[in-house]
Amino acid sequence: GDSVTQMEGPVTLSEEAFLTINCTYTATGYPSLFWYVQYPGEGLQLLLKATKADDKGSNKGFEATYRKETTSFHLEKGSVQVSDSAVYFCALSARSRSSGGSYIPTFGRGTSLIVHP
Amino acid sequence: ETGVTQSPTHLIKTRGQQVTLRCSSQSGHNTVSWYQQALGQGPQFIFQYYREEENGRGNFPPRFSGLQFPNYSSELNVNALELDDSALYLCASSLEGTYGYTFGSGTRLTVV
Repeated sequence: GDSVTQMEGPVTLSEEAFLTINCTYTATGYPSLFWYVQYPGEGLQLLLKATKADDKGSNKGFEATYRKETTSFHLEKGSVQVSDSAVYFCALSARSRSSGGSYIPTFGRGTSLIVHP
Repeated sequence: ETGVTQSPTHLIKTRGQQVTLRCSSQSGHNTVSWYQQALGQGPQFIFQYYREEENGRGNFPPRFSGLQFPNYSSELNVNALELDDSALYLCASSLEGTYGYTFGSGTRLTVV
């Protein structure tokens, strides 16, 4: 079945450091890829997405490029802030034969990011 | 445009009881999916509804059931609650699941 693997956290950085959170996936067909962010006590918020190979999703200084050849969708940010401290989830959405071709989401386990002043 | 709202926000139930959680989808979204998120874990897909019919299900037993109404709001029902059912239950809506999901803030269920 489909799966998403993220690097384990927590990732601890100083403010203004460069961030990379690795994400690789396994899926049949051509999934859409997403990054979600979850702040304490809240639900998930869509951060960025990419729907086909070589697409780059970007939002709020975060970027991720859909790499079909390496089945990866790594999240990057050039300069993190304390307010970026949260849990980040990589996810895919792909058609599922067992569900009549409907798009079914699969999430990674999440990577906690802690940014110190 | 309104987002996804879930009720209640917190709930405590006794093992063996039944619970119903509710979700109002974002305006214009016709697909609702439900997730169980244990502490420190990613969301686990329970099932998804599209135009009032279940069109996808994760690895959850039949005591987890749901409904979607004509206005695309949804309910998650869990029978015979077990201690391991304690988790954050998230609802998300989308337009046919292709462009990402809008999540609610979740219902924190504690089973004692």
